[in-house]
Amino acid sequence: AQSVTQLGSHVSVSEGALVLLRCNYSSSVPPYLFWYVQYPNQGLQLLLKYTSAATLVKGINGFEAEFKKSETSFHLTKPSAHMSDAAEYFCAVTYTGFQKLVFGTGTRLLVSP
Amino acid sequence: DAGVIQSPRHEVTEMGQEVTLRCKPISGHDYLFWYRQTMMRGLELLIYFNNNVPIDDSGMPEDRFSAKMPNASFSTLKIQPSEPRDSAVYFCASSFLKGTAYANEQFFGPGTRLTVL
Repeated sequence: AQSVTQLGSHVSVSEGALVLLRCNYSSSVPPYLFWYVQYPNQGLQLLLKYTSAATLVKGINGFEAEFKKSETSFHLTKPSAHMSDAAEYFCAVTYTGFQKLVFGTGTRLLVSP
Repeated sequence: DAGVIQSPRHEVTEMGQEVTLRCKPISGHDYLFWYRQTMMRGLELLIYFNNNVPIDDSGMPEDRFSAKMPNASFSTLKIQPSEPRDSAVYFCASSFLKGTAYANEQFFGPGTRLTVL
């Protein structure tokens, strides 16, 4: 069975500060990992994904994530937060040939001026 | 491409009424997913289809919920009778399995906000 755990239901940062959202996964097979973002009153939008190529994955809006097998982690980072980054972020896992995504519980990012 | 289309965007109904939510997936996608999102329970997968066939409906809460996909470009999620605890945002998403860098990625619609009074 596969699962993801997102540590922290809320993360608060100041504008310009580093953003770090944590995701740990559990998978019995090599995983595919995703980060999605949900802005208020919108659907989920893909930020980035890892599918067994480069372990450092760059996504949209300056976000990136690093796959660390030894730590079973796929944390999302951005060097400098912007007010427009305030949203809810979901980590998800699946594996090759399988379409069902298992989502984490989400982390709400709050950005203060 | 217009993306995943859902209708209506908002639905307000009274307890006991039938509610039908609609979804048009992205053309060429062969998987379709229905999710429900609430503050209490987060994002839940209700059911998903492959090539119009239901594959996993283990997330459907009870017999009041049903979903159909009569063709590759249309799906419905029906609640009959509706109850106040069904109030949530319902998302449809689509994806395709093979062939490109977009494989496995689910594309979400804007959601239908359902309020049952």
